[in-house]
Amino acid sequence: EAGVTQSPTHLIKTRGQQATLRCSPISGHTSVYWYQQALGLGLQFLLWYDEGEERNRGNFPPRFSGRQFPNYSSELNVNALELEDSALYLCASRLAGGTYEQYFGPGTRLTVT
Amino acid sequence: QKEVEQNSGPLSVPEGAIASLNCTYSDRGSQSFFWYRQYSGKSPELIMFIYSNGDKEDGRFTAQLNKASQYVSLLIRDSQPSDSATYLCAVNDRGSTLGRLYFGRGTQLTVWP
Repeated sequence: EAGVTQSPTHLIKTRGQQATLRCSPISGHTSVYWYQQALGLGLQFLLWYDEGEERNRGNFPPRFSGRQFPNYSSELNVNALELEDSALYLCASRLAGGTYEQYFGPGTRLTVT
Repeated sequence: QKEVEQNSGPLSVPEGAIASLNCTYSDRGSQSFFWYRQYSGKSPELIMFIYSNGDKEDGRFTAQLNKASQYVSLLIRDSQPSDSATYLCAVNDRGSTLGRLYFGRGTQLTVWP
């Protein structure tokens, strides 16, 4: 069974630009979660999508947004990039039907210069 | 603000020893608990989850949960150098059991030959 996939692996942007990160969940998983892991910090929750709807968002500014497509893949957009947005962005997916376990993809390393 | 606290580490044990990793959480209503392993430069990998008080064993790993004490631990028996990684404790959001996870900052484990 294929795991969660994310693209691109690495992304380099300059301050003020926009970044788009993509995630494909494990087959059969309908929930997608986005987390940020900045250097020296723990995993911080960004967004949760389920069945195409945004269910919850973490304490991040509105320039962090996303969506979930009908095939359950997801996109994270970060507008007006700031230097402190440099981090590993992790996508996790969860199986439909009330299970609790979240499985992470390999992540996208975003560097803002 | 829900908190998940872990031993600050680093924890260093010899090969073959038992490594004990501890985690406490602030939300008494939390219901599901997870241990992830994260190798340097990689994404977190789910290695154990536990939902009921007591012990849960899977191979060399044992997770222990005590909801009354708001404490969850991970024991690694017969530690191997390949177990050297950062171990992350995660707890669900009581308000939405299928939603976000709260993560501790992680404990770095080194197993020396």
